[in-house]
Amino acid sequence: EVKLVESGGIVVQPGGSLRLSCAASGFIFDDYTMHWVRQAPGKGLEWVSLITWDGDATYYADSVKGRFTISRDNSKDSLYVQMNSLTTEDTALYYCGKGDFRYSRDRRIDYWGQGTLVTVSS
Amino acid sequence: DIVMTQTPLSLSVTPGQPASISCKSTQSLLHSDGKTYLYWYLQKPGQSPQLLIYEVSNRFSGVPDRFSGSGSGTDFTLKISRVEAEDVGVYYCMQGMYLRTFGQGTKVEIK
Repeated sequence: EVKLVESGGIVVQPGGSLRLSCAASGFIFDDYTMHWVRQAPGKGLEWVSLITWDGDATYYADSVKGRFTISRDNSKDSLYVQMNSLTTEDTALYYCGKGDFRYSRDRRIDYWGQGTLVTVSS
Repeated sequence: DIVMTQTPLSLSVTPGQPASISCKSTQSLLHSDGKTYLYWYLQKPGQSPQLLIYEVSNRFSGVPDRFSGSGSGTDFTLKISRVEAEDVGVYYCMQGMYLRTFGQGTKVEIK
């Protein structure tokens, strides 16, 4: 069974930094692209970032580019996002998502964690 | 950037009746590899999103056959042949042609 468990969400002041983690199990982690997707309170889904299976390529939404850094540790089956220069606009539930298989041309996000809540407030 | 636009934004459906949601993209989602990178998700109340349909019309594992997807290029549709109470929630389309973008969501409720 695929399981994704996010952690690290807290209340942080504007301008602050935070690192979120996602622990994966139930699949061969280093074979899959991984994503971060967020959802502001009462709003829709916003894709944030992805990292390829080997960590060699990373991509970001314009809204977070230059402030967020996605990374992974395949030896620990873990995904991370370092978030800097946080603003109130970054307040959201952050989900990690399992992406496509390294040898496929699929671009799905097929499993999601339960999310971790980041609140940016003074 | 590719913008995804869903209509309607909300839908109230009688159980057993069909429902349909439209999703339009600002650019074609047909890739040169022959695949069309359009996906549908359902976020039930209080839950994480779940994948329903991938590449326009393929049901994901465990998805009931009352859900179907169709379309091509920039215009896509999700249909529920007979809505059940468990289908309530917000439906999102997502493009995978360039990075990822979600539609605004369509809230489906039961009459």
